[in-house]
Amino acid sequence: DTAVSQTPKYLVTQMGNDKSIKCEQNLGHDTMYWYKQDSKKFLKIMFSYNNKELIINETVPNRFSPKSPDKAHLNLHINSLELGDSAVYFCASSLRPGLAGLSNTGELFFGEGSRLTVL
Amino acid sequence: GQQVMQIPQYQHVQEGEDFTTYCNSSTTLSNIQWYKQRPGGHPVFLIQLVKSGEVKKQKRLTFQFGEAKKNSSLHITATQTTDVGTYFCAGRRPGGSQGNLIFGKGTKLSVKP
Repeated sequence: DTAVSQTPKYLVTQMGNDKSIKCEQNLGHDTMYWYKQDSKKFLKIMFSYNNKELIINETVPNRFSPKSPDKAHLNLHINSLELGDSAVYFCASSLRPGLAGLSNTGELFFGEGSRLTVL
Repeated sequence: GQQVMQIPQYQHVQEGEDFTTYCNSSTTLSNIQWYKQRPGGHPVFLIQLVKSGEVKKQKRLTFQFGEAKKNSSLHITATQTTDVGTYFCAGRRPGGSQGNLIFGKGTKLSVKP
C-alpha cells in the first residue's frame, strides 16, 4: 500500500487551462502539505493543512487553491496555468509537529510527485 | 525571512571518496532534518537532530548539529554509487508547533565508479 499517493504522475497541458492534482495519505497523519520543486530542485512549501484547516499559505498566486475534504486528502487546483507553473509538485504528510510523543519527529512522508508541464 | 543555506550545490566524487554537505541557518533552529532524493524520486527522510551538538550515525553517514543549533552537516564516508542523489537539510524554526520546515536548496551528489 502506498503511504502517500498523488495523481496524476504526469500532466502536460496548455497555458490558460485549469488542472487539479489529487493527494491521499493512509498513514493516519493529521497534517498535509504541498511543495513545489522547480528545475533547480529547490523545494518550496506552498500550503500546509492540519485537520482540514489551512495552516500555512506561503506567497503563492491565488490561482492555486488547495482543498482538503478530509484529513486524509489534500487536492491542489490550479487555474489559468502559466509557463512558470511547470515543476514537480509533491504532496507530503506528517504528524502535527510538536504533537506529544518521543517517536514523533514530524518527519515528512512525500508522495512520488506530479510533474506538470505547461506548454 | 528565515533562510537555510546549503553548500555545496553540486559535488562530484570518485567512488570511495568522502563527501560532506553543510547547512547554515540565519536563526536558531529547534531541530533539523535530513532527506535524500534519488534521481527521479521523491525526498525520503533520513534523520532528525534535536539537541545542541548532537551527532548521529547511520552506517557510513554521520550527521551533526552545531552547538548553537544554527548549522548542521552530513558526512558520508567512502561513497558508493548507491549514494547518488540530492541531499536536503530542512530546519524547523522554534516557537509554535505549526512551524514549517525550511528546506535548503540541496546538494546534488554524483559518484563516479
